[in-house]
Amino acid sequence: GQSLEQPSEVTAVEGAIVQINCTYQTSGFYGLSWYQQHDGGAPTFLSYNALDGLEETGRFSSFLSRSDSYGYLLLQELQMKDSASYFCAVRALYNFNKFYFGSGTKLNVKP
Amino acid sequence: KAGVTQTPRYLIKTRGQQVTLSCSPISGHRSVSWYQQTPGQGLQFLFEYFSETQRNKGNFPGRFSGRQFSNSRSEMNVSTLELGDSALYLCASSLLGESPYEQYFGPGTRLTVT
Repeated sequence: GQSLEQPSEVTAVEGAIVQINCTYQTSGFYGLSWYQQHDGGAPTFLSYNALDGLEETGRFSSFLSRSDSYGYLLLQELQMKDSASYFCAVRALYNFNKFYFGSGTKLNVKP
Repeated sequence: KAGVTQTPRYLIKTRGQQVTLSCSPISGHRSVSWYQQTPGQGLQFLFEYFSETQRNKGNFPGRFSGRQFSNSRSEMNVSTLELGDSALYLCASSLLGESPYEQYFGPGTRLTVT
């Protein structure tokens, strides 16, 4: 089967850097994606790693290591508006290309 | 392009009733997935449709069903509602082939069962 594990909650202060980890057990997927969801809102796509390594998009970076079955989302210069839940996800190469989501990490940014 | 739209946004139903939720994907997207999200839970996959065919189904009882029309719009139906069905139901559309890793979510329908 497929499973993605994330910490349930992370707290950091404004201006700091925080890393949200995602470890997975899956066989064959297109890549690792990250989604952000504010309370009461819909998930929005943040980033995607098709290959191993670091992808940077502004203050957000995402990393993937297929050999370690591990990825992370790095948020720099934290702002209060970054308080949200963050989900990692994969789309399987097989099994009818099904999407699998992690359980989500709630990030609390404090002043 | 217009985003994914879902109707209605809010719904209150009574136990035992049934409900139909609607989702219109982004133009050109032929894959539509449905998810259930409850407080403290992640996204629980319900099913995915592509070209009017159900491609995948999650571990939900048969009371949950769906369909997709030729214009890619999708509906999901929940019959014999239970209190535990109270949740945010999210619809997401995606392109298969071009960017298979990315889904675009609608605002969701918040269903409350009393």
